[in-house]
This record gives sequence, C-alpha cells and structure tokens, in this order.
Amino acid sequence: AQSVTQLDSHVSVSEGTPVLLRCNYSSSYSPSLFWYVQHPNKGLQLLLKYTSAATLVKGINGFEAEFKKSETSFHLTKPSAHMSDAAEYFCVVSDQYGGSQGNLIFGKGTKLSVKP
Amino acid sequence: NAGVTQTPKFQVLKTGQSMTLQCAQDMNHEYMSWYRQDPGMGLRLIHYSVGAGITDQGEVPNGYNVSRSTTEDFPLRLLSAAPSQTSVYFCASSYSPGLAKNIQYFGAGTRLSVL
Repeated sequence: AQSVTQLDSHVSVSEGTPVLLRCNYSSSYSPSLFWYVQHPNKGLQLLLKYTSAATLVKGINGFEAEFKKSETSFHLTKPSAHMSDAAEYFCVVSDQYGGSQGNLIFGKGTKLSVKP
Repeated sequence: NAGVTQTPKFQVLKTGQSMTLQCAQDMNHEYMSWYRQDPGMGLRLIHYSVGAGITDQGEVPNGYNVSRSTTEDFPLRLLSAAPSQTSVYFCASSYSPGLAKNIQYFGAGTRLSVL
C-alpha cells in the first residue's frame, strides 16, 4: 500500500531565504507524486507533479521538486521565499497501476511560515 | 470556466440532522471524489466514483452516502450528522484515475460544523 510522510509539520523561514519541505513516500508501483498548496481558507492548488519523466520537476511560483527513487523522497524547494508563500503544503502520492484506481493519498501537511 | 463547484460554503447542523453537500463539475470528468480535511490529518478520501452509476468507498466512508446519476454531479449525503463529522469537505474531479495526466481539480470546500 502506498503512503506518504511529510517530515515536518511546521517550517519557518525568513523572506528571501531558501525553502525546503521534506516528503518521503512508499509505493508498490510506479508512483505519481504531487505537491499541492492550500492558502488559508482556500481550496487546493496543484504546484507540480512527477509522473516518471524528468526527475527534477519545475512547478509554479518558482517551486521545484526532485524525485529520488533510491531515497524514496520528493522534497519541495524554492530558492527564495516570498511572504505570499505562507500556506500549507501537501505531498501526495498516487499509484498508477495499483488497485486503488489511482486515488490520491495525502500527507498530513506542512505549514510554511515566512517572516519579514 | 466554473471548474468544480461546491455548495454550500458553510453549514451548521445539529446532531442527528441530515443534509447533502453538492458538488458539480463542468469539465466532463469521469472521476470524482470527496475528501474531508481535519487539522493535522491532511485530506482523507471518503468516497469516489469512476463514472456515472459507479461509486466506491475510500478510507473513511462511515456515516456518508454518495450516488452518481450524472457525469456532472456527485452529492455527498450525511444521513444523521454527528459532531465527529465536523470538518472541511472537498470535492475533486479528474479525467480518469490511473493515468499519468491524473491531475485532480479541487472545489473551494464546504466548512461543516455539527453541534
């Protein structure tokens, strides 16, 4: 069965400094991996996705993530944080070929705070 | 484009009351699903549907019913609301699960309180 673990429930950075949100996954099949962002009292927006093409995936708003099969990781990074990046981020896994119909499995989320 | 539309945005119920959360999408998506979001728990799948007339249970289906009579609509019914169902509910849709282009689009959510 697939699962995803977000290693930090809360990350705080200063504006202009790098962001690293960590995610490890477990999957029996070739996984699809996603990062979603949720701003306060809003719905979820897709940041980026990995689907077995390039291992370094670029997303919106300057975010990117690298798929590392040997480490079963899919960490999200951004070189320079902006105040508008303050939100909750979810790492998500979906099995493409398993019996789960490709349902999404969400991590518990990481809240990113950005200090001025 | 409307995308995924959820109604209502907010609802307060008393224990034992029933209600239906509405979800509609205008993208001709085959796959639709319902999630609940609780603090520190991420989103958990309640029910999903891979097409009209076909539904199945997710991780936390107890206390909820669904049906899928049309491609566009996927209502979630609470037959007898309980305080444990206080949560934020999200509806999502995509073209088809299990494909590389499986991007799910989410509605804005329904915030439900059960007193």
